[in-house]
Amino acid sequence: GEDVEQSLFLSVREGDSSVINCTYTDSSSTYLYWYKQEPGAGLQLLTYIFSNMDMKQDQRLTVLLNKKDKHLSLRIADTQTGDSAIYFCAAPWGGKLIFGQGTELSVKP
Amino acid sequence: NAGVTQTPKFQVLKTGQSMTLQCAQDMNHNSMYWYRQDPGMGLRLIYYSASEGTTDKGEVPNGYNVSRLNKREFSLRLESAAPSQTSVYFCASSDTVNTEAFFGQGTRLTVV
Repeated sequence: GEDVEQSLFLSVREGDSSVINCTYTDSSSTYLYWYKQEPGAGLQLLTYIFSNMDMKQDQRLTVLLNKKDKHLSLRIADTQTGDSAIYFCAAPWGGKLIFGQGTELSVKP
Repeated sequence: NAGVTQTPKFQVLKTGQSMTLQCAQDMNHNSMYWYRQDPGMGLRLIYYSASEGTTDKGEVPNGYNVSRLNKREFSLRLESAAPSQTSVYFCASSDTVNTEAFFGQGTRLTVV
């Protein structure tokens, strides 16, 4: 089955770029997703990328997809304290949506 | 729009008690999911329902049952709660597995 892996923690300074990485095992997913979870809340879709794209840019967010290595990354430019949250990558597989462990991003002033 | 509504928001159970977590969505979505979230484990799928009238096991179904009552509602039942079921539970819905999933606010369950 699909397995999605992320590192658990990332700490950056305000104004720096943040890069959150994700690896997956099944390359048949049509889309790959990034969700954001703020403290005490449910998850919300942040951005997504089609599997036939290598890169997608949306304001401060850049998603890179390396299909050969089955590697997905989310870059947040000019990271702000309001970006502190848990970020999950997710992949559809077998009628289900499979999530990684989540990366907790801490932004220090 | 309300989106996905879960009840209750908090619950404390004694070991062996039973309870049902309720979830309703008002977006006419076909697919609904129950996840549990534990520190360092991410979101793990308990059960899902790809359409009204169907349910399937996810990664961690033991100790749980579900009912897709109609297209709007998908409930999760703990028949005999155990401390290992202490977790935050999330219900989600999507039109299909390849479209955006919308999440409820979560139920924080403690089993003592």
